[in-house]
Amino acid sequence: SQTIHQWPATLVQPVGSPLSLECTVEGTSNPNLYWYRQAAGRGLQLLFYSVGIGQISSEVPQNLSASRPQDRQFILSSKKLLLSDSGFYLCAWSGGGKQPQHFGDGTRLSIL
Amino acid sequence: GENVEQHPSTLSVQEGDSAVIKCTYSDSASNYFPWYKQELGKGPQLIIDIRSNVGEKKDQRIAVTLNKTAKHFSLHITETQPEDSAVYFCAAILGGTSYGKLTFGQGTILTVHP
Repeated sequence: SQTIHQWPATLVQPVGSPLSLECTVEGTSNPNLYWYRQAAGRGLQLLFYSVGIGQISSEVPQNLSASRPQDRQFILSSKKLLLSDSGFYLCAWSGGGKQPQHFGDGTRLSIL
Repeated sequence: GENVEQHPSTLSVQEGDSAVIKCTYSDSASNYFPWYKQELGKGPQLIIDIRSNVGEKKDQRIAVTLNKTAKHFSLHITETQPEDSAVYFCAAILGGTSYGKLTFGQGTILTVHP
């Protein structure tokens, strides 16, 4: 069966520091991958999606970037974190464009 | 822009009662509608979904109904239990996207009192 892993579960970072969040999927090949941000436990906003290795599309302008160095690995990064980057970050995968999306358990990021 | 509206924002029921959450969408080309349950500190979990070629789908105590003409879909939970307490999100894949962009409702906090 397919599984999705995100780490770390929680992260506290100072303003201006770099960021790297990792997401990996097991049990499937060539998945669509997604990064979402959830503010205050409500409403998910799509940040990035990827349909293949090295293919990244951004949904909203922001201080973050994403990369997909391997088929089942998706990374969310920042060179310099802002206070407004605080939130709950969720990775998801699906088997194709209109297939169900399955979420990881997220990373809670706090910026001090 | 295209969006999904979800109501109510909070719902409180007694154990054993039914709970209904409703969502409306604006894009008539939308054709896939999942529902997610999110428990505290966890990621959303898919609980049921429906495609536009059917009007109703059931899975034990949960069901989803879709009215494409009125552009709304609803989640029905029968015989609610305290463990059903969570935040529930509806979503829709808007018709114009090929990569499966989900547009989410704002969520409903369901509390089931024992």
